[in-house]
Amino acid sequence: AQSVTQLDSHVSVSEGTPVLLRCNYSSSYSPSLFWYVQHPNKGLQLLLKYTSAATLVKGINGFEAEFKKSETSFHLTKPSAHMSDAAEYFCVVSTNNQGGKLIFGQGTELSVKP
Amino acid sequence: DTAVSQTPKYLVTQMGNDKSIKCEQNLGHDTMYWYKQDSKKFLKIMFSYNNKELIINETVPNRFSPKSPDKAHLNLHINSLELGDSAVYFCASSLKRDRPEAFFGQGTRLTVV
Repeated sequence: AQSVTQLDSHVSVSEGTPVLLRCNYSSSYSPSLFWYVQHPNKGLQLLLKYTSAATLVKGINGFEAEFKKSETSFHLTKPSAHMSDAAEYFCVVSTNNQGGKLIFGQGTELSVKP
Repeated sequence: DTAVSQTPKYLVTQMGNDKSIKCEQNLGHDTMYWYKQDSKKFLKIMFSYNNKELIINETVPNRFSPKSPDKAHLNLHINSLELGDSAVYFCASSLKRDRPEAFFGQGTRLTVV
């Protein structure tokens, strides 16, 4: 069985400071891992993905995530937050034998203070 | 050109009514999905179709019936709407069933009154 746990329901940072959104996963098979972002009243946009290639994954808008198998983690980071980063972020796991089914974490709301 | 488009964006209806949400993707993908986002923003898969064939049917009430006339379209019909059906419904598509990177539509906010 697969699952995803996002360790913080809400993270607040000041503009220009680093962002860390934490995610742990559980999977019986080699997982694919994703981070999606949802701005208010918008759809979901793919930020980045890990699919068994490089463990450090770069995404859009300066975001990165590192796959750590020993820690079963896939934390999302950004060196310097921007006001436009304020949104809901979802960590997502899937495996190739699940027909494309995505398992979502509970979401982390990121607030960015001026 | 919108990759995955859903209509309508907002839907307000009374309990007991029947309604449909339409979804179209122009990405040439084989696999399409319906996800439901509840009031706590939790997202869960409902259905998945691969080349018009149903491959995932989670524990969804029979009142929900997906229909895929071709691989570019996946519609969701809901009978006898209940208050608890109020949610945001997202359509998504991926290249193939074993390539789970999904592209999502903008969502349909359904409010049952």
